[in-house]
Amino acid sequence: SQTIHQWPATLVQPVGSPLSLECTVEGTSNPNLYWYRQAAGRGLQLLFYSVGIGQISSEVPQNLSASRPQDRQFILSSKKLLLSDSGFYLCAWSVWGQGDGYTFGSGTRLTVV
Amino acid sequence: AQSVTQLDSQVPVFEEAPVELRCNYSSSVSVYLFWYVQYPNQGLQLLLKYLSGSTLVESINGFEAEFNKSQTSFHLRKPSVHISDTAEYFCAVTGGNTGFQKLVFGTGTRLLVSP
Repeated sequence: SQTIHQWPATLVQPVGSPLSLECTVEGTSNPNLYWYRQAAGRGLQLLFYSVGIGQISSEVPQNLSASRPQDRQFILSSKKLLLSDSGFYLCAWSVWGQGDGYTFGSGTRLTVV
Repeated sequence: AQSVTQLDSQVPVFEEAPVELRCNYSSSVSVYLFWYVQYPNQGLQLLLKYLSGSTLVESINGFEAEFNKSQTSFHLRKPSVHISDTAEYFCAVTGGNTGFQKLVFGTGTRLLVSP
């Protein structure tokens, strides 16, 4: 069966520090991978998505970047965190055309202080 | 671009009362529609989906949603809610002029069930 792992679950980082959040998927090949951010009291904002290794599409200009070094690994990074980067970050995967929607990871609560 | 509107940011309701969470989408061409539920500090879980066929779809925990193409709506209903249904609910759509690679989410509706 397919599973998605996201870590860490919570993270407190000072302003200006780097960030690396990792997401891995098991049990499927060539998935589409997504990073979403959910700010307090707001909906889901799509940050990046990837349809294959090394292929990254950015949805909004920001302080963050994403990479996909392996088929089932998706990494969200920042060189210098801002206070506005605080939020709940969710990774998700899907298989195009199957109409099953997304499967989400359990999320990372990032607080920038 | 595709968009989803959830007009109600919060819906308070008493236990065992019926509830409807509203969702409207923008595209009039072929779409897939979804409802997700999010419990505090957790990821999103798929509640139910409409792909094709019967316009009424049901979940295993008593929720149902009806696809209405003429009104471009996909409202979520439950005839009798429980305390445990307290959560945030997101409507989402894929397809239309956005294609099927991405899901577009509404801003969510917080369902608050009180005794």
